[in-house]
Amino acid sequence: KAGVTQTPRYLIKTRGQQVTLSCSPISGHRSVSWYQQTPGQGLQFLFEYFSETQRNKGNFPGRFSGRQFSNSRSEMNVSTLELGDSALYLCASKGTGSSYEQYFGPGTRLTVT
Amino acid sequence: GEDVEQSLFLSVREGDSSVINCTYTDSSSTYLYWYKQEPGAGLQLLTYIFSNMDMKQDQRLTVLLNKKDKHLSLRIADTQTGDSAIYFCAESIWSTLTFGKGTMLLVSP
Repeated sequence: KAGVTQTPRYLIKTRGQQVTLSCSPISGHRSVSWYQQTPGQGLQFLFEYFSETQRNKGNFPGRFSGRQFSNSRSEMNVSTLELGDSALYLCASKGTGSSYEQYFGPGTRLTVT
Repeated sequence: GEDVEQSLFLSVREGDSSVINCTYTDSSSTYLYWYKQEPGAGLQLLTYIFSNMDMKQDQRLTVLLNKKDKHLSLRIADTQTGDSAIYFCAESIWSTLTFGKGTMLLVSP
């Protein structure tokens, strides 16, 4: 079974631009969560999607948004990029029912200049 | 509020046991996890324990949970140089994970 895939792996953007990151969960998994990892703040929860609905949201400004498609693939968008948005963005895929195992993708490294 | 704390660094010799400790604050946590992160990589799920369990063993890994003290530990037996990485503990409420800052484990030959 293929793991969680994220594209692109690396991205360089300029302040003020916007960016879209993509995550494909493990086949059959319907829950996708996004996390931001920075050296200063560590790993922080952004949001979770389940069956195309946002189920939970972390404490991030409205510039951060996401969506999920009917095939469970998810995208997150960051508008009006700031230098502080430079981070590793990780998505996690979780099965349904009694499965509590959350599997992470390799991440997208975003650099804002 | 939610807070997960870990020591930042641990150094051991190859073949020794490693013990990484973690404390959490939210008593409503359902599951507690250990993840491993190697340089430039994502998070690898190592193991997890349900909050009503005391111990879980999985090959070289042993997880101990003291729910009264909100203390979690990960013991790695016969530590190898390939175990060098950052280890994160995380607590979960529903599907949201709250992570510690990570413990860097350095294994020397």
